[in-house]
Amino acid sequence: AIQMTQSPSSLSASVGDRVTITCRASQGIRNDLGWYQQKPGKAPKLLIYAASSLQSGVPSRFSGSGSGTDFTLTISSLQPEDFATYYCLQDYNYPQTFGQGTKVEIK
Amino acid sequence: EVQLVESGGGLVQPGGSLRLSCAASGFTFSSYSMNWVRQAPGKGLEWVSYISSSSSTIYYADSVKGRFTISRDNAKNSLYLQMNSLRDEDTAVYYCARRYPGESLDYWGQGTLVTVSS
Repeated sequence: AIQMTQSPSSLSASVGDRVTITCRASQGIRNDLGWYQQKPGKAPKLLIYAASSLQSGVPSRFSGSGSGTDFTLTISSLQPEDFATYYCLQDYNYPQTFGQGTKVEIK
Repeated sequence: EVQLVESGGGLVQPGGSLRLSCAASGFTFSSYSMNWVRQAPGKGLEWVSYISSSSSTIYYADSVKGRFTISRDNAKNSLYLQMNSLRDEDTAVYYCARRYPGESLDYWGQGTLVTVSS
């Protein structure tokens, strides 16, 4: 199974900060990667698919990049509603595998 | 509006069985592949199983292979997960999620909690 290594596992940031989360695949997965946001007690929400495509309705401050093994989720200007846990998911093959998650907390 | 509503969770003893259901509405269910994803308390997300639109292709995580069975009834717009030989480590919130071709898992249900405990 492809391993997805996500970093950092947590970070503290202030409103307005630029935040970057990375995900590394143990083998090449083309651009078959999604990013998800999850708030406590809620289902995950798709933010980015195909590594860099913004899901409909998701604010443009979210962006994704990367291909092959290295991927990045960037929040250009952190907003209060963005404090949550973020996960990457490889869509390249089965079993699908998630990163361990990054908890974004208020500084 | 796309809706996915899970049901069937509850408390079950180790070694027991449970059947989860996911009722879909707001889209042509028979055209989409579906997945189950779970999340143990305080832990990350774990993909569990996949079924194609026609049920012709099915995959499982190694952790549930041989114990869980995914199925669907397109006439009833429903997805199922039959869980047998349940273990403590199967305790989790179970989500059903739609897979949009090329767009990952785009819609998720609210989840149903399965607790395996004696």
